[in-house]
Amino acid sequence: GQSLEQPSEVTAVEGAIVQINCTYQTSGFYGLSWYQQHDGGAPTFLSYNALDGLEETGRFSSFLSRSDSYGYLLLQELQMKDSASYFCAVRDRNYGQNFVFGPGTRLSVLP
Amino acid sequence: NAGVTQTPKFRVLKTGQSMTLLCAQDMNHEYMYWYRQDPGMGLRLIHYSVGEGTTAKGEVPDGYNVSRLKKQNFLLGLESAAPSQTSVYFCASKGLGPYNEQFFGPGTRLTVL
Repeated sequence: GQSLEQPSEVTAVEGAIVQINCTYQTSGFYGLSWYQQHDGGAPTFLSYNALDGLEETGRFSSFLSRSDSYGYLLLQELQMKDSASYFCAVRDRNYGQNFVFGPGTRLSVLP
Repeated sequence: NAGVTQTPKFRVLKTGQSMTLLCAQDMNHEYMYWYRQDPGMGLRLIHYSVGEGTTAKGEVPDGYNVSRLKKQNFLLGLESAAPSQTSVYFCASKGLGPYNEQFFGPGTRLTVL
């Protein structure tokens, strides 16, 4: 089967850096995605990692270690608008190469 | 481009009623998905389609049916609604090849009484 774990909540202040971790268990790992979802909104794509290492896109970076079954999303120079839920999702060969989503991490950015 | 659209945005059903949710995308994507999201949880895949005329079961398919008669449309049907199907339903689409970004619609909030 497949299971993903993320912290349920994270709180940080504006301008700070925050890291949201994701651990997964599957025998069919293909890649790891991150999505952002504001309250009442739709998920929007942030990043995808298929290989080990760090991918940087502006203030957001995503890291993957396949040997550790672990990834994280790094948000720098936090802004109030970054307050949202963040989901990791594993693309899994055992699920027809579809994505299995984690439970989500709610990030609150304080002034 | 409208991206991914869903209709309706809200719906209230009584137990046992049926309804169809419509998803449309104008990006010529091959893959389309239906997810449900319950409070405090991630998205769970109901059904998906890898192309026009094809559908397959996801993680939680029971009580739902789907059809993809046209490439741009993906319909989700509830045959006999149950309170356990109260949820927010999201449709998504994805292109072929190495592109792994799923584009999501705005969601349909369904309440079954």
